[in-house]
Amino acid sequence: QKEVEQDPGPLSVPEGAIVSLNCTYSNSAFQYFMWYRQYSRKGPELLMYTYSSGNKEDGRFTAQVDKSSKYISLFIRDSQPSDSATYLCATPYSSASKIIFGSGTRLSIRP
Amino acid sequence: DVKVTQSSRYLVKRTGEKVFLECVQDMDHENMFWYRQDPGLGLRLIYFSYDVKMKEKGDIPEGYSVSREKKERFSLILESASTNQTSMYLCASNLGGSNIQYFGAGTRLSVL
Repeated sequence: QKEVEQDPGPLSVPEGAIVSLNCTYSNSAFQYFMWYRQYSRKGPELLMYTYSSGNKEDGRFTAQVDKSSKYISLFIRDSQPSDSATYLCATPYSSASKIIFGSGTRLSIRP
Repeated sequence: DVKVTQSSRYLVKRTGEKVFLECVQDMDHENMFWYRQDPGLGLRLIYFSYDVKMKEKGDIPEGYSVSREKKERFSLILESASTNQTSMYLCASNLGGSNIQYFGAGTRLSVL
């Protein structure tokens, strides 16, 4: 079992829809969680960073962590074609700043 | 802004060639990383360096080596390229103690 699991998609939704992207993790010691966004032919860039359970909001994006079920989510409200990208969940796993990444979900927003 | 620059966006090499992938960061970051990214497998860590001349194997180091002679530069070396090393290679860096990594744009390597 991978330590961070993510549905690879692809996921295609119409513009304006609410998008839900999800990951599960297996190690209860993981404390910090991140979402990276990767546009086609680009490197990943940090989108959201959360610690502990609960929600964190940044504009149209909400990151949610449920530690009891080891489930992390990213919600995108009022989705735009410019949100079309691959979204990777991630968590640091050592004091040496190493990160485990999910395999990424490819999202397409249809105009 | 942090900038991580990878020297090539696309490379085509032949089986058995020695291949050098170069990465430079301009933010004085202690840590640098090399990943490969394959469909369905996500990012897998090849090697990691936490200081000049210091390196640590990642999850898939076989067939690769690295060099870090200067703090800003981290090179990935494929000693004898094979077709199964065709992939997207991503370099990243961060400050020691930080969990946030900054990535370059990637090098898409094809080994024929």
